[in-house]
Amino acid sequence: DVKVTQSSRYLVKRTGEKVFLECVQDMDHENMFWYRQDPGLGLRLIYFSYDVKMKEKGDIPEGYSVSREKKERFSLILESASTNQTSMYLCASRTSLGTASYEQYFGPGTRLTVT
Amino acid sequence: QKEVEQNSGPLSVPEGAIASLNCTYSDRGSQSFFWYRQYSGKSPELIMSIYSNGDKEDGRFTAQLNKASQYVSLLIRDSQPSDSATYLCAVKGDSNYQLIWGAGTKLIIKP
Repeated sequence: DVKVTQSSRYLVKRTGEKVFLECVQDMDHENMFWYRQDPGLGLRLIYFSYDVKMKEKGDIPEGYSVSREKKERFSLILESASTNQTSMYLCASRTSLGTASYEQYFGPGTRLTVT
Repeated sequence: QKEVEQNSGPLSVPEGAIASLNCTYSDRGSQSFFWYRQYSGKSPELIMSIYSNGDKEDGRFTAQLNKASQYVSLLIRDSQPSDSATYLCAVKGDSNYQLIWGAGTKLIIKP
């Protein structure tokens, strides 16, 4: 079974703090993704990485950065947290091989509250 | 802007009945379609994928794809209270990496 883990389930941070969210997958997947999910808005892609040290902006990258130094690990960084970044953050991964490559597997999520 | 549309619900279905969830998409060239289930407070989990026109069955779940009409459906037979969740439709877009997500339909199965 694919396993995707995230560093925290719940996190409370103050406005202006630098926040690190970490995601680890154990299936040797090439591609990894960071989403945020807000009520009524569905899943919105922040950044994705198609390989080590490679990253691409998604639909809402402003205020975020990412790091992928190792294949199994993808980090999301909030440079200076703001209250409008309060959300559920979901990491996902997938293989890049064959038609199954479009299927994404999610971690348990991190509910971040910025006060 | 490529879009995936779902009725937000909630859709209320009696236990034992068939639940029918629908999704429409704007990109006529889309080839791959997915249904994810998300329980409250949990992350999405993949339940069905479909790539060809027609029906695909897996246990109590059937995915139906009609590319000419640009819709994909998920039928749940013999609905159980444990099927109560939000169901997300996702479609592969032009990119080799990204999926386009619907906002989800909340399904409630009433005992």
